[in-house]
This record gives sequence, structure tokens and C-alpha cells, in this order.
Amino acid sequence: DVKVTQSSRYLVKRTGEKVFLECVQDMDHENMFWYRQDPGLGLRLIYFSYDVKMKEKGDIPEGYSVSREKKERFSLILESASTNQTSMYLCASRTGQGGGYTFGSGTRLTVV
Amino acid sequence: DQQVKQNSPSLSVQEGRISILNCDYTNSMFDYFLWYKKYPAEGPTFLISISSIKDKNEDGRFTVFLNKSAKHLSLHIVPSQPGDSAVYFCAASANSGGSNYKLTFGKGTLLTVNP
Repeated sequence: DVKVTQSSRYLVKRTGEKVFLECVQDMDHENMFWYRQDPGLGLRLIYFSYDVKMKEKGDIPEGYSVSREKKERFSLILESASTNQTSMYLCASRTGQGGGYTFGSGTRLTVV
Repeated sequence: DQQVKQNSPSLSVQEGRISILNCDYTNSMFDYFLWYKKYPAEGPTFLISISSIKDKNEDGRFTVFLNKSAKHLSLHIVPSQPGDSAVYFCAASANSGGSNYKLTFGKGTLLTVNP
């Protein structure tokens, strides 16, 4: 089974801090994605990556950046955390042939 | 501009009855559709998918129906069980879900199955 692992389940950070959310997948998937889930808004795509060192903006990239130095790891960076970035963050991956995603368990981030 | 719409935020059904979750889409390029299920504090898990060359796909208690002319799909769960209580997300993709095409998700429907 494909495993997508997010480093933290729960995280509390202060406003203005730089925050790193880490995601690792173990099935050599080319594509990786970062979403956030908010009540009433569903899943919104922040950034995605089709391959190492490649990245594309999703629907809500403002305030975020990403890094993909190795195929198995896709990091989401909040340059200066703000309270409106309090959310559930979900990482996903899939093969380069497409199809559905495999999601990680999520990171519940609270910015105070 | 919401390309995938789940107009019912919530649905409540009795155990043993049928649950029908609906999804509409606006992008005529979408040709691959999926349903995901999500429990609180967990990531979404894949349930079932359908390609636009089909109008029905069945997997155990779960059946997805696709009406291309109406740009509408639905997920039927029969019989519903309390463990089915979760948020269900509809998702769609162009290019048959192929390489480099991302999924677009609806806002989700919270299903509650009462014992």
C-alpha cells in the first residue's frame, strides 16, 4: 500500500513564525499536492509538483511556498504564519500515469 | 468559479436505507470522476471512480452513476451503515485523470447514518 506520511498531526505556531509542513511518500510517485481543508470550503489546492524541483501554483498559493528537492518529499512553507492560515493541511501523491490521489492523515495547524 | 458542486452540505439517513449523494460539474472537459470519504482528523480515502465512457460503476455497497448530458453524478450507498458516517467529496479531472492533470474537488457532503 502507498503510504503518505505527514510529519505532524497537530501543530501550534505563533503569528509571524516560519512554518514547515513535511510530507513523504514511499511509492516513487511523480506527482505531489498540498491542499487545505476548511469548513464550508472543501479541499482547496495550494501547490502541486509534477516532478523533482518542479512546482505549480494551485488555486490559493498566496502566503505559501513549496520545496521538492527529492522525489519522495514535498514541503509546504508558510513564510510568515497568520491566523487565517489556521486549517487542516493535506498532502497527497499519485503516479505520473494519473488516476486518484493517496492522501496523508493531515496536519491540523493552529496559528495563534 | 466552482467547477464541482455538491449542493447538499449534509444528509441524514437511517441505517439500512439508501444514501444518495449528488455532485454537479460545469467543466465539459472533465472525463474522470472520483468519490473520496473523509473521517475527522484523517486524510480522505478513495472510494470509487468512473470514467466518462461509462454511466455506472459498482463496488460492493457503493455505486456511482454518471449522467454526462446533465453533467451530474451521484453516489449510492446501499445499505447504509453507521460506519459510513463521514464527509464525502466528489472530485473530477480532465484527460481521463491522466498525467499532469489535477483533481478538482467539491466542498463535500456530511453523511450521518443513524442507528
